[in-house]
Amino acid sequence: EPEVTQTPSHQVTQMGQEVILRCVPISNHLYFYWYRQILGQKVEFLVSFYNNEISEKSEIFDDQFSVERPDGSNFTLKIRSTKLEDSAMYFCATGTARDFLETQYFGPGTRLLVL
Amino acid sequence: QQQVKQSPQSLIVQKGGISIINCAYENTAFDYFPWYQQFPGKGPALLIAIRPDVSEKKEGRFTISFNKSAKQFSLHIMDSQPGDSATYFCAASSQDTGRRALTFGSGTRLQVQP
Repeated sequence: EPEVTQTPSHQVTQMGQEVILRCVPISNHLYFYWYRQILGQKVEFLVSFYNNEISEKSEIFDDQFSVERPDGSNFTLKIRSTKLEDSAMYFCATGTARDFLETQYFGPGTRLLVL
Repeated sequence: QQQVKQSPQSLIVQKGGISIINCAYENTAFDYFPWYQQFPGKGPALLIAIRPDVSEKKEGRFTISFNKSAKQFSLHIMDSQPGDSATYFCAASSQDTGRRALTFGSGTRLQVQP
């Protein structure tokens, strides 16, 4: 069964550094999402992306965040200048219009630790 | 108004028992209500989902009950097994919002004791 993959699985970075989290969507999926989950808390929507542009972003997704699909396959989340409170598990999810985007398939996540 | 409230926070059930997790929402634009199961170190995986045009959906041991007037829905796990031990999240989405961006509940950690 096709899966969403994410790299790296873990990343430790210093506050103020830039990080790029990568996602490889399921091959025929065209709708992409990033969510985050702070340890012990609920999963929160960050951004949705379709046709090379952001569809919607949450209040969390401020100017330090950006997304792109640089090579037509990978989908990336960049955090420009990390803060301690960015420490979380970041999940990529993808969907297809065939089921009206209702089913979102989540990757295994990248655990980001900002020191 | 975007929140989905979930209870209980944690639940311990004996093997063979029934696990019940409840969620409530405010946003009447929500029109799709999935439940996700998450094991430690893994991403959430879709378990079962319902649309508001039906009051109940059953898949194997898992049943969603939906009460549109009360804006509540619940997950019932029949004959709970130790392998069901995981965190369960209810969620909701709207066709009008962010390509169906999911709004998650706070999660319920289920432990099924052998």
